[in-house]
Amino acid sequence: QQPVQSPQAVILREGEDAVINCSSSKALYSVHWYRQKHGEAPVFLMILLKGGEQKGHEKISASFNEKKQQSSLYLTASQLSYSGTYFCGTLGAGSYQLTFGKGTKLSVIP
Amino acid sequence: DTAVSQTPKYLVTQMGNDKSIKCEQNLGHDTMYWYKQDSKKFLKIMFSYNNKELIINETVPNRFSPKSPDKAHLNLHINSLELGDSAVYFCASSHGRLLSGTDTQYFGPGTRLTVL
Repeated sequence: QQPVQSPQAVILREGEDAVINCSSSKALYSVHWYRQKHGEAPVFLMILLKGGEQKGHEKISASFNEKKQQSSLYLTASQLSYSGTYFCGTLGAGSYQLTFGKGTKLSVIP
Repeated sequence: DTAVSQTPKYLVTQMGNDKSIKCEQNLGHDTMYWYKQDSKKFLKIMFSYNNKELIINETVPNRFSPKSPDKAHLNLHINSLELGDSAVYFCASSHGRLLSGTDTQYFGPGTRLTVL
């Protein structure tokens, strides 16, 4: 089953924060976050493993709530370069493939 | 120093033609994938090979046939192209079958296929 991402789109001004959610109806082994800019390939951001860990890279961090099978991506003090479509890819236990959500389009304006 | 490369970047062709897209990775990965991204940006997996062995074969028309001559290459051949095949096709690779904690997929630049 395809994970559900919310919101579908969000517009931010530089410096504002955003949260993107990814929910699955099945038990997950890991959640992978990617960002895709227009006309480019998806670029890997981070992996979250079951266990509820939280990871971060500069002003982008994420968490994984194993009980809810939900991951959230946090973007703080957004920059223009954060614009793009964010995808979560979920990996179920015993699965060999990532199933991607429909993406969240993030637009950061000056 | 490209990690995952695809050729061609753009492909415009007529309905009914046969075409191929090539993918190569120099990361030393064992697993490669083909994804289709439609106009709504939905990323859907098509195939996956691990050490030249087909491990994922989603429901795609049998006009699509992947070929892996070695673990660094995974090509996609499409017969009798149809209008609905127009999309961006991404190749990706991962170290293994994604079961280890730190393994993830790295995508190639994509091939935009337009069928007229």
